[in-house]
Parts: sequence; structure tokens; C-alpha cells
Amino acid sequence: AQSVTQLDSQVPVFEEAPVELRCNYSSSVSVYLFWYVQYPNQGLQLLLKYLSGSTLVKGINGFEAEFNKSQTSFHLRKPSVHISDTAEYFCAVSDYAGGTSYGKLTFGQGTILTVHP
Amino acid sequence: EAGVVQSPRYKIIEKKQPVAFWCNPISGHNTLYWYLQNLGQGPELLIRYENEEAVDDSQLPKDRFSAERLKGVDSTLKIQPAELGDSAVYLCASSSGDWSYNEQFFGPGTRLTVL
Repeated sequence: AQSVTQLDSQVPVFEEAPVELRCNYSSSVSVYLFWYVQYPNQGLQLLLKYLSGSTLVKGINGFEAEFNKSQTSFHLRKPSVHISDTAEYFCAVSDYAGGTSYGKLTFGQGTILTVHP
Repeated sequence: EAGVVQSPRYKIIEKKQPVAFWCNPISGHNTLYWYLQNLGQGPELLIRYENEEAVDDSQLPKDRFSAERLKGVDSTLKIQPAELGDSAVYLCASSSGDWSYNEQFFGPGTRLTVL
């Protein structure tokens, strides 16, 4: 079974400051990793994903994440946030080793990012 | 291109009443998912369809929940009877190709309140 832990339930930051949203996962098999964003009253939207190759992944809206296999982490970062980045962010994993859980997305509990002016 | 469409957006019912949610995925997407999202939690998969076949319904509470995707396009999720604990947001998503790594596109969800 796989699981995802988002270490911060809420992260308040000021506009133009850097931010890091932390995500750790647990899985007995190889995984794909994702970050989704959910704006109020909207569905989830994919920010970025790691499948293979370079461990630094760039996504939309200036976000990037780094896959660290030894630490089983996939932290999301942005060097300078905007008011419009205020939303809830979800880390998710999907395994590809076969079996009944193959391809199933398991989400973390979410981190609410609030950007203050 | 239209996104995933869900209706209704909001639904308030009394406990023990039936309720149904409808989802129309992105055109051409053969994989459809229903998720449950409780307040302050991430989405949890209820059921996944490949075309009209339910290939993963292990998390669907089958005593009261049912789902169908008869023609492999739109889908309906039903709860009968609803309980207070069913109050949550029900999300529908769709994807194409290999669903292990392809992006899932989510609808806006249906917020259910059971009184």
C-alpha cells in the first residue's frame, strides 16, 4: 500500500516570498508523483508530475518540485509567490508495478497556501 | 475544449433520501473516476471505469452506493439512502491512455449536504 503525507496543513506567506510545500510518500514499489492545485469551488488542476529522468520537474505558474528517492520526498517550491497562488495544494502518488493498486492515485491531505499582501 | 462537467454543483437533502450525481467526461477520455473528498482531506477514489467497465470499485460502499457508465461516456453515481456522514464533495475526473501516469482532469465537484 502507498501513502502520502503532507507535512504542513497550512502555510501562510507574504507576496513575493519563496515557499516550499513538503510532501513525503511511502510505497513498496516505484511510483509516479504529482502535485495538483485546487482553487476555491473548482476542481483539481495538475501543476506538475514526475515520471522519470531529471529529478527537478518544472510545472505551470512558476512552480517546480524535486524528487528525492532516498528521502522519499517530492517537495513543491516557488521562488516568488503571488496573491493568485492562494489555493489548496495536493501531493499524489501512483504506482506502476502492477497489481490491484496499479495506477491508483493516492492523495495527501492537502496544504492550504495563503499569500498575504 | 469543454472540461469535465458535473451536475448538480450543490445538493441538500435529508438523511435517508436518495441522491444522484452526473458526470460527463472530456470527449474521447475512456477512463472515468469518481472521488470522495471530505472536508480538509484529499480525494479518495470510489470507482474507476475503463469505458463501460468498472475496473476498480474496491472503495465503493456497495450497500448504499452504486454507479453506472452504460455507454462508456457519461456516468451517474447514486446514494440510497443517504446518511449524515455522506456529506462531502463528490469529484469526477477523466483521463485518456495509460491512466497510471496520464493527467487526470477533474470536474468542479458536487457538494452534498445531508441534514
